[in-house]
Amino acid sequence: NAGVTQTPKFQVLKTGQSMTLQCAQDMNHNSMYWYRQDPGMGLRLIYYSASEGTTDKGEVPNGYNVSRLNKREFSLRLESAAPSQTSVYFCASIPLGVTYNEQFFGPGTRLTVL
Amino acid sequence: EDQVTQSPEALRLQEGESSSLNCSYTVSGLRGLFWYRQDPGKGPEFLFTLYSAGEEKEKERLKATLTKKESFLHITAPKPEDSATYLCAVIQGGSEKLVFGKGTKLTVNP
Repeated sequence: NAGVTQTPKFQVLKTGQSMTLQCAQDMNHNSMYWYRQDPGMGLRLIYYSASEGTTDKGEVPNGYNVSRLNKREFSLRLESAAPSQTSVYFCASIPLGVTYNEQFFGPGTRLTVL
Repeated sequence: EDQVTQSPEALRLQEGESSSLNCSYTVSGLRGLFWYRQDPGKGPEFLFTLYSAGEEKEKERLKATLTKKESFLHITAPKPEDSATYLCAVIQGGSEKLVFGKGTKLTVNP
């Protein structure tokens, strides 16, 4: 099992450019999440998907869109990047159910917007 | 209002000096409380899940406990390799949102 994979690992954008962050998991998990992590702010939820075909806003959704392409893949799109979106982005997945013993994060995408 | 609050923000210990990290939460209908460890430049690594008050789980030098309002991560005789940021998160009843605290940065000096 590769666990949770994210691409790219690093990215530099200019203000106004667009890009899509990719996330995939091979653990057959139902729920997937996108977070951003900034110094002093902790992990903040951008969007999440409780199951295939559903997505919901988290704490900081403005400026982002998501697509739950299938059970494995959950992508995050920045339509018009802004310097305030400079951050480290993490994707995570957990199984749906009574217990949550398997929770995995990807290695992160470090994004700089100039 | 923060749903998950961790304290202290930073903690420095000498090797072998035991201590505890705190995670207090205000969500109702807790479905699960999670502890993660995060090393610099890496994604969080899962440590424990706790589901109900009174539950305890252990892993090497770490022991997590849960009450109706807070969780503690006890570190017994820590070593320098335990240095990391420890994150707490909760899932509330009726939601699939995983909400994190801001973490406690632990430094263990040799």
